[in-house]
Amino acid sequence: AQTIHQWPVAEIKAVGSPLSLGCTIKGKSSPNLYWYWQATGGTLQQLFYSITVGQVESVVQLNLSASRPKDDQFILSTEKLLLSHSGFYLCAWSRDWGQDTQYFGPGTRLLVL
Amino acid sequence: GDSVTQTEGQVTVSESKSLIINCTYSATSIGYPNLFWYVRYPGEGLQLLLKVITAGQKGSSRGFEATYNKEATSFHLQKASVQESDSAVYYCALSPNTNTGKLTFGDGTVLTVKP
Repeated sequence: AQTIHQWPVAEIKAVGSPLSLGCTIKGKSSPNLYWYWQATGGTLQQLFYSITVGQVESVVQLNLSASRPKDDQFILSTEKLLLSHSGFYLCAWSRDWGQDTQYFGPGTRLLVL
Repeated sequence: GDSVTQTEGQVTVSESKSLIINCTYSATSIGYPNLFWYVRYPGEGLQLLLKVITAGQKGSSRGFEATYNKEATSFHLQKASVQESDSAVYYCALSPNTNTGKLTFGDGTVLTVKP
């Protein structure tokens, strides 16, 4: 069975500080990977997707970046956090590209002060 | 672009009563999108509840049902008799008939089931 793990579970960070959120998928080789973000009271938005190692595509510009250093790992980061980055970050994976079902991790809650 | 509308932000239902959560969608691409219901229980991550990929078909899971109505562009979620454990946030979502991996969500509906 496939498992998806996100770290950390929650973070409180200062404006202007760096951020790194991680996601690991176990039990599936070459998954498609996705980052989503939900502001408090807002809608879930897809931020990035990756079909293969080393390749990441941006969907929404939020002064964030993403990388896929390994087949099973997806990293979301920024060098300078903004207040508007607060929210809930979800990592997801799918087997096939296109319309395939996406399965989500437990999420990371971020509060920027 | 694509959009998903859930008209109720919050719904409160008494245990053993019926439930309907409304979802309508608009997809700009040619062809029919795949439609999903996801659920987030308190303290947990987002889980797939059910999925329907063919217009006119019905999906079901855990006593919930949703029918893909392409004429009304709707995908309402229904349950005949809710339980307190159904209290959660429910999200309707669509994946367009394009090779983009895009998933568009509604704003979510908070369901509270009163004992």
